[in-house]
Amino acid sequence: DQQVKQNSPSLSVQEGRISILNCDYTNSMFDYFLWYKKYPAEGPTFLISISSIKDKNEDGRFTVFLNKSAKHLSLHIVPSQPGDSAVYFCAASDSGTYKYIFGTGTRLKVLA
Amino acid sequence: DAGITQSPRYKITETGRQVTLMCHQTWSHSYMFWYRQDLGHGLRLIYYSAAADITDKGEVPDGYVVSRSKTENFPLTLESATRSQTSVYFCASSEQGGSYEQYFGPGTRLTVT
Repeated sequence: DQQVKQNSPSLSVQEGRISILNCDYTNSMFDYFLWYKKYPAEGPTFLISISSIKDKNEDGRFTVFLNKSAKHLSLHIVPSQPGDSAVYFCAASDSGTYKYIFGTGTRLKVLA
Repeated sequence: DAGITQSPRYKITETGRQVTLMCHQTWSHSYMFWYRQDLGHGLRLIYYSAAADITDKGEVPDGYVVSRSKTENFPLTLESATRSQTSVYFCASSEQGGSYEQYFGPGTRLTVT
Protein backbone atom coordinates (compact mmCIF):
# COMPACT_ATOMS: atom_id res chain seq x y z
CA ASP A 1 0.00 0.00 0.00
CA GLN A 2 1.77 3.07 -1.29
CA GLN A 3 0.75 5.93 0.98
CA VAL A 4 2.71 8.50 -1.01
CA LYS A 5 2.61 8.32 -4.80
CA GLN A 6 4.51 10.09 -7.52
CA ASN A 7 2.79 8.84 -10.63
CA SER A 8 5.17 10.40 -13.15
CA PRO A 9 8.49 8.55 -13.17
CA SER A 10 10.04 11.15 -15.46
CA LEU A 11 9.53 14.64 -16.81
CA SER A 12 11.38 16.67 -19.46
CA VAL A 13 11.15 20.46 -19.58
CA GLN A 14 12.85 23.15 -21.63
CA GLU A 15 15.23 25.48 -19.83
CA GLY A 16 13.43 28.61 -18.67
CA ARG A 17 10.02 26.95 -18.57
CA ILE A 18 8.07 25.82 -15.51
CA SER A 19 8.54 22.33 -14.10
CA ILE A 20 5.61 20.89 -12.17
CA LEU A 21 6.14 17.75 -10.12
CA ASN A 22 3.17 16.09 -8.49
CA CYS A 23 2.64 13.96 -5.42
CA ASP A 24 -0.50 12.31 -3.99
CA TYR A 25 -1.00 10.84 -0.55
CA THR A 26 -3.66 8.70 1.03
CA ASN A 27 -3.16 9.10 4.79
CA SER A 28 -5.21 12.00 6.15
CA MET A 29 -3.01 12.04 9.27
CA PHE A 30 -0.05 13.40 7.29
CA ASP A 31 0.48 17.01 8.24
CA TYR A 32 3.99 17.83 7.09
CA PHE A 33 5.43 17.43 3.62
CA LEU A 34 8.88 17.84 2.16
CA TRP A 35 10.56 17.72 -1.20
CA TYR A 36 14.07 16.36 -1.64
CA LYS A 37 16.34 16.52 -4.65
CA LYS A 38 18.79 13.76 -5.44
CA TYR A 39 21.72 13.75 -7.83
CA PRO A 40 23.34 10.47 -8.93
CA ALA A 41 25.73 8.93 -6.39
CA GLU A 42 24.71 11.45 -3.72
CA GLY A 43 22.27 11.43 -0.85
CA PRO A 44 18.97 13.31 -1.10
CA THR A 45 19.12 16.96 -0.10
CA PHE A 46 16.25 18.90 1.43
CA LEU A 47 14.61 21.39 -0.89
CA ILE A 48 11.43 22.80 0.59
CA SER A 49 8.69 21.87 3.04
CA ILE A 50 5.11 22.75 3.86
CA SER A 51 2.93 22.29 6.88
CA SER A 52 -0.72 21.36 6.53
CA ILE A 53 -1.76 24.70 8.02
CA LYS A 54 -0.53 26.36 4.83
CA ASP A 55 -1.45 25.87 1.19
CA LYS A 56 1.66 27.42 -0.33
CA ASN A 57 5.31 27.90 0.51
CA GLU A 58 7.91 29.67 -1.62
CA ASP A 59 11.66 29.65 -1.61
CA GLY A 60 13.24 31.42 -4.53
CA ARG A 61 12.47 29.52 -7.73
CA PHE A 62 10.73 26.74 -5.80
CA THR A 63 7.10 26.79 -4.67
CA VAL A 64 5.19 23.96 -3.06
CA PHE A 65 1.40 23.90 -3.16
CA LEU A 66 -0.75 21.75 -0.90
CA ASN A 67 -4.37 20.81 -1.59
CA LYS A 68 -5.51 19.00 1.53
CA SER A 69 -8.97 18.14 0.27
CA ALA A 70 -7.47 16.42 -2.77
CA LYS A 71 -4.53 15.02 -0.77
CA HIS A 72 -2.23 16.41 -3.40
CA LEU A 73 0.91 18.50 -3.41
CA SER A 74 2.97 19.87 -6.21
CA LEU A 75 6.40 21.42 -6.61
CA HIS A 76 6.80 24.23 -9.12
CA ILE A 77 10.24 25.25 -10.36
CA VAL A 78 10.33 28.55 -12.24
CA PRO A 79 12.39 29.10 -14.29
CA SER A 80 13.82 25.63 -14.73
CA GLN A 81 17.59 25.37 -15.14
CA PRO A 82 19.77 22.50 -16.40
CA GLY A 83 21.21 22.15 -12.88
CA ASP A 84 17.73 21.24 -11.68
CA SER A 85 18.00 17.93 -13.53
CA ALA A 86 17.75 15.35 -10.75
CA VAL A 87 15.35 12.92 -9.10
CA TYR A 88 12.80 14.60 -6.86
CA PHE A 89 11.19 12.79 -3.94
CA CYS A 90 8.22 13.96 -1.97
CA ALA A 91 7.85 12.79 1.61
CA ALA A 92 5.02 12.98 4.11
CA SER A 93 4.87 12.72 7.86
CA ASP A 94 2.42 12.58 10.69
CA SER A 95 4.23 14.99 13.00
CA GLY A 96 3.23 12.86 15.95
CA THR A 97 5.61 10.18 14.68
CA TYR A 98 9.27 10.26 13.81
CA LYS A 99 8.88 8.77 10.38
CA TYR A 100 8.59 10.01 6.83
CA ILE A 101 7.04 8.06 4.00
CA PHE A 102 8.70 8.76 0.67
CA GLY A 103 7.31 8.60 -2.83
CA THR A 104 9.06 6.68 -5.59
CA GLY A 105 10.57 9.78 -7.16
CA THR A 106 10.29 11.72 -10.43
CA ARG A 107 13.31 12.16 -12.65
CA LEU A 108 13.39 15.71 -14.01
CA LYS A 109 15.43 16.52 -17.08
CA VAL A 110 15.81 20.16 -17.99
CA LEU A 111 16.86 20.56 -21.60
CA ALA A 112 19.19 23.38 -22.54
CA ASP B 1 34.52 16.65 8.58
CA ALA B 2 31.22 18.07 9.69
CA GLY B 3 28.05 16.40 8.54
CA ILE B 4 26.97 12.84 8.04
CA THR B 5 29.23 10.18 6.59
CA GLN B 6 28.75 6.58 5.59
CA SER B 7 31.24 3.79 5.13
CA PRO B 8 32.00 1.91 3.06
CA ARG B 9 30.64 3.68 -0.02
CA TYR B 10 30.65 0.44 -2.02
CA LYS B 11 30.55 -3.14 -0.79
CA ILE B 12 30.27 -6.50 -2.46
CA THR B 13 29.53 -9.48 -0.25
CA GLU B 14 28.37 -13.04 -0.59
CA THR B 15 25.04 -14.53 0.39
CA GLY B 16 25.04 -15.58 4.03
CA ARG B 17 27.81 -13.24 5.15
CA GLN B 18 27.35 -10.69 7.89
CA VAL B 19 28.03 -7.12 6.86
CA THR B 20 27.88 -3.86 8.79
CA LEU B 21 27.29 -0.46 7.27
CA MET B 22 28.52 2.49 9.30
CA CYS B 23 26.95 5.90 9.77
CA HIS B 24 28.45 8.82 11.66
CA GLN B 25 27.10 12.34 12.19
CA THR B 26 28.77 15.32 13.82
CA TRP B 27 25.72 17.48 14.54
CA SER B 28 24.67 15.67 17.72
CA HIS B 29 21.25 15.15 16.16
CA SER B 30 18.97 13.05 18.32
CA TYR B 31 17.28 11.16 15.49
CA MET B 32 18.93 8.85 13.02
CA PHE B 33 17.45 6.74 10.26
CA TRP B 34 18.37 4.00 7.83
CA TYR B 35 16.69 3.78 4.41
CA ARG B 36 17.11 1.59 1.41
CA GLN B 37 16.49 2.82 -2.12
CA ASP B 38 15.28 0.41 -4.75
CA LEU B 39 13.86 0.98 -8.22
CA GLY B 40 10.10 1.33 -8.07
CA HIS B 41 10.05 1.72 -4.30
CA GLY B 42 11.73 5.02 -3.60
CA LEU B 43 13.19 5.31 -0.12
CA ARG B 44 11.93 2.86 2.48
CA LEU B 45 12.66 3.17 6.18
CA ILE B 46 14.46 0.20 7.73
CA TYR B 47 15.07 1.36 11.30
CA TYR B 48 15.22 4.59 13.18
CA SER B 49 16.52 5.82 16.50
CA ALA B 50 15.24 8.65 18.66
CA ALA B 51 18.30 8.75 20.91
CA ALA B 52 21.18 6.59 22.10
CA ASP B 53 19.89 3.15 23.12
CA ILE B 54 16.43 3.84 21.64
CA THR B 55 15.67 2.19 18.32
CA ASP B 56 12.53 1.09 16.51
CA LYS B 57 11.48 -0.67 13.34
CA GLY B 58 10.49 1.04 10.14
CA GLU B 59 8.71 -0.37 7.09
CA VAL B 60 11.22 -3.08 6.09
CA PRO B 61 13.23 -4.22 9.15
CA ASP B 62 13.47 -7.97 8.48
CA GLY B 63 17.04 -9.22 8.15
CA TYR B 64 18.58 -6.09 9.66
CA VAL B 65 19.86 -5.21 13.12
CA VAL B 66 20.79 -1.78 14.46
CA SER B 67 22.40 -0.44 17.59
CA ARG B 68 23.08 3.02 18.91
CA SER B 69 25.41 3.13 21.86
CA LYS B 70 26.62 6.65 21.03
CA THR B 71 24.58 9.57 19.71
CA GLU B 72 26.84 10.07 16.71
CA ASN B 73 26.94 6.51 15.40
CA PHE B 74 24.19 4.31 14.02
CA PRO B 75 25.51 1.10 12.42
CA LEU B 76 23.28 -1.17 10.35
CA THR B 77 24.08 -4.90 10.29
CA LEU B 78 22.82 -7.46 7.82
CA GLU B 79 23.10 -10.63 9.87
CA SER B 80 23.04 -13.05 6.92
CA ALA B 81 23.00 -11.16 3.66
CA THR B 82 20.57 -12.19 0.91
CA ARG B 83 20.42 -11.13 -2.74
CA SER B 84 17.21 -9.21 -2.04
CA GLN B 85 19.24 -6.92 0.20
CA THR B 86 21.21 -5.66 -2.77
CA SER B 87 20.37 -1.97 -2.66
CA VAL B 88 21.62 1.52 -1.98
CA TYR B 89 21.49 2.32 1.72
CA PHE B 90 21.15 5.84 3.07
CA CYS B 91 21.63 7.01 6.59
CA ALA B 92 19.95 10.24 7.72
CA SER B 93 19.75 12.35 10.84
CA SER B 94 17.48 15.09 12.10
CA GLU B 95 17.52 17.42 15.04
CA GLN B 96 14.11 16.22 16.12
CA GLY B 97 11.48 13.88 14.78
CA GLY B 98 8.23 14.77 13.09
CA SER B 99 8.29 18.13 11.33
CA TYR B 100 12.01 18.42 10.80
CA GLU B 101 13.96 17.82 7.66
CA GLN B 102 16.38 14.94 7.58
CA TYR B 103 19.95 15.25 6.39
CA PHE B 104 21.19 12.35 4.35
CA GLY B 105 24.58 10.73 3.98
CA PRO B 106 26.05 9.93 0.55
CA GLY B 107 24.86 6.33 0.57
CA THR B 108 26.40 2.85 0.48
CA ARG B 109 25.89 0.72 -2.60
CA LEU B 110 25.71 -2.89 -1.43
CA THR B 111 25.77 -5.85 -3.79
CA VAL B 112 25.06 -9.34 -2.48
CA THR B 113 26.23 -12.09 -4.84
